[in-house]
Amino acid sequence: GNSVTQMEGPVTLSEEAFLTINCTYTATGYPSLFWYVQYPGEGLQLLLKATKADDKGSNKGFEATYRKETTSFHLEKGSVQVSDSAVYFCALSDFTGGTASKLTFGTGTRLQVTL
Amino acid sequence: KAGVTQTPRYLIKTRGQQVTLSCSPISGHRSVSWYQQTPGQGLQFLFEYFSETQRNKGNFPGRFSGRQFSNSRSEMNVSTLELGDSALYLCASSLDGLLSSPLHFGNGTRLTVT
Repeated sequence: GNSVTQMEGPVTLSEEAFLTINCTYTATGYPSLFWYVQYPGEGLQLLLKATKADDKGSNKGFEATYRKETTSFHLEKGSVQVSDSAVYFCALSDFTGGTASKLTFGTGTRLQVTL
Repeated sequence: KAGVTQTPRYLIKTRGQQVTLSCSPISGHRSVSWYQQTPGQGLQFLFEYFSETQRNKGNFPGRFSGRQFSNSRSEMNVSTLELGDSALYLCASSLDGLLSSPLHFGNGTRLTVT
């Protein structure tokens, strides 16, 4: 079956530091890949997505490239801010059963950014 | 545009009882999915409804059920509650459940079973 593996957190960085959160996946076929972010007390928000190999998703300074050869989708940001403190989830969807709404999520990585 | 609305935000129930959670999707969205989030198991897919029909389901026991109404609003029911059902239940909506339609999540209903 499908699975997503994320690096363990928490990740603690100083403001303006470079961020990388690793994500690898196992799936049959050609899944779409996503990063979601969850702020305290809230639901998940879609941060970025990529639907095919070598696609780069980007949003709010965050980037991730769909690497089929290494089955990875690592999240990066060049300069983090305190407001980026949240839990980040890597996820995949392979459009089984006639829907892309069945996402497989990683365990989440908590990011804490300090001044 | 209003987001996905889940009610109630918090619920406390006793083991053996049943509970109903409600989700109002974004206007125009026809697909509604439900997820369970726990510290131990993370985010797990429960089921998805589209045009009042369950289109896909995850690996949960039959105590977990749902339905969707003609206005796309959805309810989720859990019968004979167990302590392990304590979780944050998230609803997500999308236009049609296709890859081109991202999921929009609500803020969830936190269920505590005592």
